[in-house]
Amino acid sequence: QTVVTQEPSLTVSPGGTVTLTCASSTGAVTSGYYANWFQQKPGQAPRALIYSTSNKHSWTPARFSGSLLGGKAALTLSGVQPEDEAEYYCLLYYGGAYVFGTGTKVTVL
Amino acid sequence: EVQLVESGGGLVQPGGSLRLSCAVSGFTFSNYWIHWVRQAPGKGLVWVSRINEGGSTTTYAASVKGRFTISRDNAKNTLYLQMNSLGAEDTAVYYCARVLVGSNVVIFDYWGRGTLVTVSS
Repeated sequence: QTVVTQEPSLTVSPGGTVTLTCASSTGAVTSGYYANWFQQKPGQAPRALIYSTSNKHSWTPARFSGSLLGGKAALTLSGVQPEDEAEYYCLLYYGGAYVFGTGTKVTVL
Repeated sequence: EVQLVESGGGLVQPGGSLRLSCAVSGFTFSNYWIHWVRQAPGKGLVWVSRINEGGSTTTYAASVKGRFTISRDNAKNTLYLQMNSLGAEDTAVYYCARVLVGSNVVIFDYWGRGTLVTVSS
């Protein structure tokens, strides 16, 4: 069973920078995993932020960026705002099926 | 405005069945893959199933394969998820999501607000 692992929680100060990672139990994550990233706040549906590793949606704030880092997919938040406090999930493609990451709770403190 | 609206959730007994719907508007339904994703109370997102633009290709997570069936009616702009042999582990909010698949790109963009399925006696 494929497992996609994210940091359970991260804390960042307002205006700071934080990087979330997304690791696959099958090995290094590459562009062929088409990593997508989502933000979810309590009681709300997920909101798409990044698609295919590093591409932003029209509504994605400029402070969010996606990349590949050390064999993992990564989401970097630069100049963090209080409204960025949320749960973040990655999603990877495995040749037919998809698997979500375990999620990262980002606290802005 | 792109909209996806799930319906059909509710309380069902263990072993029972339920059919969820996802009605879409604001875009050309037949141009997109549509996925189902679920989230148990207080837990993370779990990918469930997907169907291609014309309905000829479907894929399921191992946890639901053989019990759930995804389908779509492009004339009615509606996606379905038939769920059989339901167990407590299927209790979750079920979301539908629009996905554009192209050459070297997979784009999850719009999601519905979800419908709650509770499996309990």
